[in-house]
Amino acid sequence: GAVVSQHPSRVICKSGTSVKIECRSLDFQATTMFWYRQFPKQSLMLMATSNEGSKATYEQGVEKDKFLINHASLTLSTLTVTSAHPEDSSFYICSAPGRDSRGYTFGSGTRLTVV
Amino acid sequence: SQQGEEDPQALSIQEGENATMNCSYKTSINNLQWYRQNSGRGLVHLILIRSNEREKHSGRLRVTLDTSKKSSSLLITASRAADTASYFCATETSGSRLTFGEGTQLTVNP
Repeated sequence: GAVVSQHPSRVICKSGTSVKIECRSLDFQATTMFWYRQFPKQSLMLMATSNEGSKATYEQGVEKDKFLINHASLTLSTLTVTSAHPEDSSFYICSAPGRDSRGYTFGSGTRLTVV
Repeated sequence: SQQGEEDPQALSIQEGENATMNCSYKTSINNLQWYRQNSGRGLVHLILIRSNEREKHSGRLRVTLDTSKKSSSLLITASRAADTASYFCATETSGSRLTFGEGTQLTVNP
């Protein structure tokens, strides 16, 4: 089945630094990937839609300059949290659309802690 | 804002019992999906039901969809301790957007 590999699974960084999160589709091509953010015991909030070869589409209230998304190939999408602050600490998850009745395939998530 | 609302927010049952979770949504949808999330992990797709379907089964899972009431339910029969997780409904609208409900935390006690 379709697999999305997300890396790293955990990262701790200092305030002001940037962190890059990668999502790779391992056995299929993903022209679109979605990036979500999840706070503890809460639901997933869509941040942006990553489109291969074009600019990402950001949800209302999500800062484009802070959350940089790049989808340079059909198998790789990256989210870079720039100038991270403690309030950016969260669980970030990517997903790619599935086919037919297979739903969406999610990465395993990245726990970001900004200290 | 979240499309879906789920209830209950938390459910604790004994092994062998059935667990029912409900989801309501507000707009027209293409399909509704249920996902499971273990603590600190990604989401695993459980089942998808299209807007023209009313009921679907997969193993111990049974999903219903009532588009007139804009609601869905997930039934897990003969629950096991390993079913302990958070369960989310998600509605898919045009443009392949998934909008998640608030989730139900299910605890199955051995």
